[in-house]
Amino acid sequence: GNSVTQMEGPVTLSEEAFLTINCTYTATGYPSLFWYVQYPGEGLQLLLKATKADDKGSNKGFEATYRKETTSFHLEKGSVQVSDSAVYFCALISAGKSTFGDGTTLTVKP
Amino acid sequence: EADIYQTPRYLVIGTGKKITLECSQTMGHDKMYWYQQDPGMELHLIHYSYGVNSTEKGDLSSESTVSRIRTEHFPLTLESARPSHTSQYLCASSESGTTNEQFFGPGTRLTVL
Repeated sequence: GNSVTQMEGPVTLSEEAFLTINCTYTATGYPSLFWYVQYPGEGLQLLLKATKADDKGSNKGFEATYRKETTSFHLEKGSVQVSDSAVYFCALISAGKSTFGDGTTLTVKP
Repeated sequence: EADIYQTPRYLVIGTGKKITLECSQTMGHDKMYWYQQDPGMELHLIHYSYGVNSTEKGDLSSESTVSRIRTEHFPLTLESARPSHTSQYLCASSESGTTNEQFFGPGTRLTVL
């Protein structure tokens, strides 16, 4: 079956630091890949997505590139802010079925 | 901004009570989902629906039941709440198709005493 493996958290960074959250996947077929963000007390929000190999999704300074050769979709941001503190979920959809990673908690300190 | 709503946002209730968690979406999505989110933040799919009168159990066994009488409405019911049901419940919806992302509601935080 399909699976998504995320870097274990929690991750703690200082403001303006560089962020990478690793995500690798296994899937049959050609999945679409997603990053969701969950702020405290809220549901998940779509952050970015990529639907085919070599696509780059980007939003709010975050970006991730669909790497089919390494089955990865790592999330990056060049300079994090305190307001980026949240839980980040990597996910895939293949043949209409969704699979989520376990989530990575990011805390950014001023 | 996603138009998917959940009520109540917070619920504290005693053991043995019957409860219904409401979920509605105004986007006309055919697919709807219920997830249980544990304190470690992992998401567990407990129910899903691909359209009216269609409901299926998810990956995680749950004592809850769901119904889908209208496209926009996907309520979840617990006939007799227990402390083990204490959790965050997230509802989501998506368009039909094999690659469409899910839109999530704000969640219901349920505490059973």
